[in-house]
Amino acid sequence: QVQLVESGGGLVKPGGSLRLSCAASGFPFNDHYMSWVRQAPGKGLEYVSYISSRSTYTNYADSVKGRFTISRDNAKNSLYLQMTSLSHDDTAVYYCVRRGQPTLTFDYWGQGILVTVSS
Amino acid sequence: QSALTQPASVSGSPGQSITISCTGTSSDVGGHNSVSWYQQHPGKAPKVIIYDVSMRPSGVSNRFSGSKSGNTASLTISGLQAEDESDYYCISYTTSHSWVFGGGTKLTVL
Repeated sequence: QVQLVESGGGLVKPGGSLRLSCAASGFPFNDHYMSWVRQAPGKGLEYVSYISSRSTYTNYADSVKGRFTISRDNAKNSLYLQMTSLSHDDTAVYYCVRRGQPTLTFDYWGQGILVTVSS
Repeated sequence: QSALTQPASVSGSPGQSITISCTGTSSDVGGHNSVSWYQQHPGKAPKVIIYDVSMRPSGVSNRFSGSKSGNTASLTISGLQAEDESDYYCISYTTSHSWVFGGGTKLTVL
């Protein structure tokens, strides 16, 4: 079955950096676009970024553009999110999400990983 | 890209039907049939319950249905059950090849 397992979260100081990873299994990873979606404590879902199946295309929310970089390694069935210049507003649970085919739906979600930005 | 507009909360009694609206623009909800709905229980990851406006994934109850008119999509839950109490989000693909999310609706089953 499809599994998405995030790792790399934790506590980081404002201005710091962190790299999230997502290990995917149970489906042909290199056939699917992948995304990151986040949710601040007590708040709604927020789109962060997506990457196409062969890394040709990437897209970022305005709130993270220039600070976050999405990437993937199809040989390792892994998705990444490099986060820099972190601020309190980036505190959230970050979800690794698969985009379905041929629909444009976020059909599978990881359990999420908490990133806390605090001094 | 502005967020899609959802009511902050809705409520209904067991057995009743409720509808949650999701209003966007011609650049998202009105311009694409890629509108999906997600159910999220506290502390859990979201789960897709409707995709492509009105399609239901296998395993999702037929009490959940979706529709769209112009720039507004709707999720209807019929025969409300206690287990339906949850947060619901709409998401739409946009004409600029990105996604826009609704702010979420808290459903209370009275």
